[in-house]
Amino acid sequence: GNSVTQMEGPVTLSEEAFLTINCTYTATGYPSLFWYVQYPGEGLQLLLKATKADDKGSNKGFEATYRKETTSFHLEKGSVQVSDSAVYFCALRDNFNKFYFGSGTKLNVKP
Amino acid sequence: ETGVTQSPTHLIKTRGQQVTLRCSSQSGHNTVSWYQQALGQGPQFIFQYYREEENGRGNFPPRFSGLQFPNYSSELNVNALELDDSALYLCASRRDRRNYGYTFGSGTRLTVV
Repeated sequence: GNSVTQMEGPVTLSEEAFLTINCTYTATGYPSLFWYVQYPGEGLQLLLKATKADDKGSNKGFEATYRKETTSFHLEKGSVQVSDSAVYFCALRDNFNKFYFGSGTKLNVKP
Repeated sequence: ETGVTQSPTHLIKTRGQQVTLRCSSQSGHNTVSWYQQALGQGPQFIFQYYREEENGRGNFPPRFSGLQFPNYSSELNVNALELDDSALYLCASRRDRRNYGYTFGSGTRLTVV
């Protein structure tokens, strides 16, 4: 079956530090991969996506590359800001448009 | 485009009661999905509707049911509420067109006491 595993949090970083949040997946077929961000009390916002192997999604300084050989989609940012503090969800979407989400990783960025 | 709007934002119900949650999608969004997000967890797929018919369902019992209407609104109904139904319920919708992504609403926080 399909599933997503992401690193447990919380992750605490100082401002301007480098961020990596690991995400691996198990899937049948050819899923699309996503990172969503959730701020306190809000719904999910799409951060970036990749629809096929070797695609790189990027947005607001965040990047993730769809690695089929390692079944991974790790999220990275070179220099985090306090405003990046949120919960980040890795997800895959199968061929039936059903999303499978990881359990989320809370990021705390300190000034 | 306007966003996906869910109502109410918060709701408290008693165990055994029934609840209806609502979602108003953007015009042209023929596909709508509902997700349950328990505290500290990722969202779990409940079901999906396309042009007013259910076309996919997750591992949720039949007391979770839904409707989709021609005006791009939809409902999630839960009967015989249990304490474990306490969660954030999210709806997400999209257009039919290839490569169009889903837009998520901000959710309804349901508390069952």
